[in-house]
Amino acid sequence: GESVGLHLPTLSVQEGDNSIINCAYSNSASDYFIWYKQESGKGPQFIIDIRSNMDKRQGQRVTVLLNKTVKHLSLQIAATQPGDSAVYFCAENSGGAAGNKLTFGGGTRVLVKP
Amino acid sequence: DTAVSQTPKYLVTQMGNDKSIKCEQNLGHDTMYWYKQDSKKFLKIMFSYNNKELIINETVPNRFSPKSPDKAHLNLHINSLELGDSAVYFCASSPLAENTEAFFGQGTRLTVV
Repeated sequence: GESVGLHLPTLSVQEGDNSIINCAYSNSASDYFIWYKQESGKGPQFIIDIRSNMDKRQGQRVTVLLNKTVKHLSLQIAATQPGDSAVYFCAENSGGAAGNKLTFGGGTRVLVKP
Repeated sequence: DTAVSQTPKYLVTQMGNDKSIKCEQNLGHDTMYWYKQDSKKFLKIMFSYNNKELIINETVPNRFSPKSPDKAHLNLHINSLELGDSAVYFCASSPLAENTEAFFGQGTRLTVV
């Protein structure tokens, strides 16, 4: 079946280094992807999104890359800070005209070491 | 001025009981959702509503009955609670337009004992 998944369940990174979180998806018809950040005890929080007609999008300290050829999505966090420690999810929107339906990957925990 | 708010934040109850979780959004969105997050952090959609109309029902047991009195509210009622229902339930909302982000509430941690 179609799925969205992540390669690394836990990522430890030194404060100040860059982080890269990877995600693979299998639905080639997907045309919209979102990265969410979830801190302990809170709901998922939008970080950045990208549509399938783009291969790169940048935000504040974050960059999302989309490779449709290999159905791969990544999130890069520049100069990782302690506040970036959280679980990160990629999500694929597969609802189409019926509305948004987010299918989430399994999540990657990012631990920032001081 | 919370965008998506759910109550209660924590809910502990015994097996067999019936309970409800309430959700309200003040973003003016037309679409609301319920997601379930299990102990392994996996998030899965349960229901979505557009303007009070059920759009998505992801083969959730019929013990779960969402109710949308108006487009700003989507409540979740659960009958005959089971141990396996223990999870964190998230309400979310989004504009009706295709390919837009969803805004999530803080979650309700349900523990069935």
